[in-house]
Amino acid sequence: AQSVTQLDSQVPVFEEAPVELRCNYSSSVSVYLFWYVQYPNQGLQLLLKYLSGSTLVESINGFEAEFNKSQTSFHLRKPSVHISDTAEYFCAVSNGGATNKLIFGTGTLLAVQP
Amino acid sequence: EPEVTQTPSHQVTQMGQEVILRCVPISNHLYFYWYRQILGQKVEFLVSFYNNEISEKSEIFDDQFSVERPDGSNFTLKIRSTKLEDSAMYFCASSVGSGTEAFFGQGTRLTVV
Repeated sequence: AQSVTQLDSQVPVFEEAPVELRCNYSSSVSVYLFWYVQYPNQGLQLLLKYLSGSTLVESINGFEAEFNKSQTSFHLRKPSVHISDTAEYFCAVSNGGATNKLIFGTGTLLAVQP
Repeated sequence: EPEVTQTPSHQVTQMGQEVILRCVPISNHLYFYWYRQILGQKVEFLVSFYNNEISEKSEIFDDQFSVERPDGSNFTLKIRSTKLEDSAMYFCASSVGSGTEAFFGQGTRLTVV
């Protein structure tokens, strides 16, 4: 069975500082990996994805994540955060297949302080 | 930009009542899903639907739950007899195919009183 671990439930950080949100997964088959962001009282928005190809993927707002197969990780990073990045970040894994369902981690609240 | 839409945004219902949550997935998508998020907890998979049938369901999706795609555009989740523990945010999602990303709606907040 697949699972996702986000060890940090909350990450406080000052504005313009770098941040890393950790995600580890377990799966016995090939995986597709995703980061979703949830702003307060809103739905889930896809932030970035790894489906195949380059192991380093980037979003339009400066986030990046690197798929590391040997460490079964997909950590999310940003070199300089903004107040507006304050949100809950969910890592998710899928193995595609007939259902293509997502298994989510417990989420990490990124709290950016001025 | 195409998006998944869900109605209503909020629903309050009495325990034991039936509720139907509605979703319009993105038009060219073939896979449809329902997830739920109990307040403060992680997002949990409920059911996936492909080719007009359920392809997988979780342990949460018991006999009280059902899904339907009554026409070419709507995808519904029915809870036959709601319980207090069904209170949660319910998200509909769709994807164009297997191995692709899912796009989520804004959710329906269901409160059972």
